[in-house]
Amino acid sequence: EDQVTQSPEALRLQEGESSSLNCSYTVSGLRGLFWYRQDPGKGPEFLFTLYSAGEEKEKERLKATLTKKESFLHITAPKPEDSATYLCAVQATGAGGTSYGKLTFGQGTILTVHP
Amino acid sequence: SQTIHQWPATLVQPVGSPLSLECTVEGTSNPNLYWYRQAAGRGLQLLFYSVGIGQISSEVPQNLSASRPQDRQFILSSKKLLLSDSGFYLCAWSIQGIEQYFGPGTRLTVT
Repeated sequence: EDQVTQSPEALRLQEGESSSLNCSYTVSGLRGLFWYRQDPGKGPEFLFTLYSAGEEKEKERLKATLTKKESFLHITAPKPEDSATYLCAVQATGAGGTSYGKLTFGQGTILTVHP
Repeated sequence: SQTIHQWPATLVQPVGSPLSLECTVEGTSNPNLYWYRQAAGRGLQLLFYSVGIGQISSEVPQNLSASRPQDRQFILSSKKLLLSDSGFYLCAWSIQGIEQYFGPGTRLTVT
């Protein structure tokens, strides 16, 4: 069974204080790993897709990296507007190459950035 | 560009009443469509997915059902709501089952 564990559950940072969020995963075969940002009361917003170990993606102050067992979301010099819940999800290669795209989500990391 | 709509945004229903939540996608054809439920504002649980009109697959046996009457319309229903059906319901779409893009969600409270 596919599993995703995110840590820490909550992270409080001062503005400008860089840090990383962790996503550990267990999957029979990885088709893709996804990062989403979710603001309170809203749907998740897509950030990145990573497909293979060693891959990196960047967007503004965020950088996502991938190894064979985990992914990190690095936040450089965060601002209060980066406060949100960050969700990690994996998509496995199903038997026979299913294309329906089931995502298995972690519980998320609640990030709070104080001014 | 693609847009996904959900309604209603919020809903308060008594136990035993029926439910119908609607999701529509604009700007794309033949998308994969998904219904998720999010409890306590955290992890998402996949409920149903559809790869085409009339094709529905269920991930979790429960009190809910889904239908896809049109290519870009996905409906989540229940004949009789339970207290445990309360939560944040999210619809999502994808092309070729890769990145999924989520709608704004419906907050359902069963009283």
